This record gives sequence, structure tokens and C-alpha cells, in this order.
Amino acid sequence: DAKTTQPTSMDCAEGRAANLPCNHSTISGNEYVYWYRQIHSQGPQYIIHGLKNNETNEMASLIITEDRKSSTLILPHATLRDTAVYYCIVRVAGTSGSRLTFGEGTQLTVNP
Amino acid sequence: DGGITQSPKYLFRKEGQNVTLSCEQNLNHDAMYWYRQDPGQGLRLIYYSQIVNDFQKGDIAEGYSVSREKKESFPLTVTSAQKNPTAFYLCASSIDGSSGPFNEQFFGPGTRLTVL
Repeated sequence: DAKTTQPTSMDCAEGRAANLPCNHSTISGNEYVYWYRQIHSQGPQYIIHGLKNNETNEMASLIITEDRKSSTLILPHATLRDTAVYYCIVRVAGTSGSRLTFGEGTQLTVNP
Repeated sequence: DGGITQSPKYLFRKEGQNVTLSCEQNLNHDAMYWYRQDPGQGLRLIYYSQIVNDFQKGDIAEGYSVSREKKESFPLTVTSAQKNPTAFYLCASSIDGSSGPFNEQFFGPGTRLTVL
């Protein structure tokens, strides 16, 4: 699976959009981009995933660049409860097993 | 309510003792996973099971053992051979073990193990 690079930490004001970047320059054509988040001392929670096109759900939007070498997770109106570590993961589709390789993620702190 | 349960939330053991962490799911998922997390770090895969009576080693299986006798249960035993067992242990499950794009993993609340 391709390696990802994320900033160690970010801050965001409550009510503003939080834009979390992820670099995955060695991503292969059949690898999806997944985002999970982990609130302190809890299990990770799935947020969103995508392959090529931009995706949106009730939690967030995922913007993937045309060359697919980077992506941005957008929380449109961050709240204090969005404070968490956000993990960007790329994973091959179609092989056996469903392993997720977690890096160290980005600690997002939403400030009042 | 459907979900994954792990018990207990906090566990203390003396050095040299084996300890078994519980993981139960009622989501009817075929695949289950165990991860370990150390402070300030991401998750590392210990063992995973794609189907009952079958399991594979992950990246850090040494000092751990698992069983998968029932679909809904995947207990993890931390043995005395594990040199640094103090950590946060997370169990997860997914519909099946394929790498299909919609096969997200659902995580339990975790067990924090402290070896004294």
C-alpha cells in the first residue's frame, strides 16, 4: 500500500472549515483514499473514501487532485467535537485481506 | 444495538501473566482484526481473521495469540512473551475480508492494558 504524508497537527476555529491535506505521491491506479478519525481514547471512525472523483457525505468532503497524488479532507463547519486525530490511508482494492495501514495522522484541534 | 464490544475498558496485570482481551460483534461480519496503539502513534495490526477457524498474523504478532471459534468472537491473548504489552488495544470488524472499496472497518471502544 502507498505511503501517506500528513501534517502532524492543525488548528481550526469553531464554525470555520477545516481542510486537512494528505500527500500520497506513490498511489497506484487501483488504490482508494480512505479517511478515518480517532477521538481521544476511542476506536477510529470511518469518514469517507474515494478513488478519483470528489466525494461528499454527511460528515465531510474529499477532494482528490487530478493526478491523485494528494487529497484534502474538508469538514465544512468544524465543531469542538471534531477535535481528533485524522488518518489518511490508501489501500489496494481487489487483493485478499482488508488491512488498513495507519500512519500517525493529523491532530486537529478545533478552538472555540 | 449492533456494534462491537470490548471488555474490560481498563485492565491491569502483573508482569509475566497471560491476559485475554475480549472482542464481540453482532454485525454478522466475517472479518475481524486486532490492532495495538502506543501513545502518539498510529494503529499497528496484530492479527486478523477473514473467516471462522482461520486467522493470519499481522505486522506485530509476536507475543500474541488469537482464536476464532465463533463468527462473533475474536479474543486476543497477550502472552508473557510480549516484551512491552502496555498499550491500547483495538478490535475491528468488516463485512468480509476483501479489499472492496465499501468494506469499511468498524472499531470497538478499545481496552487499555497496563502491565505492572
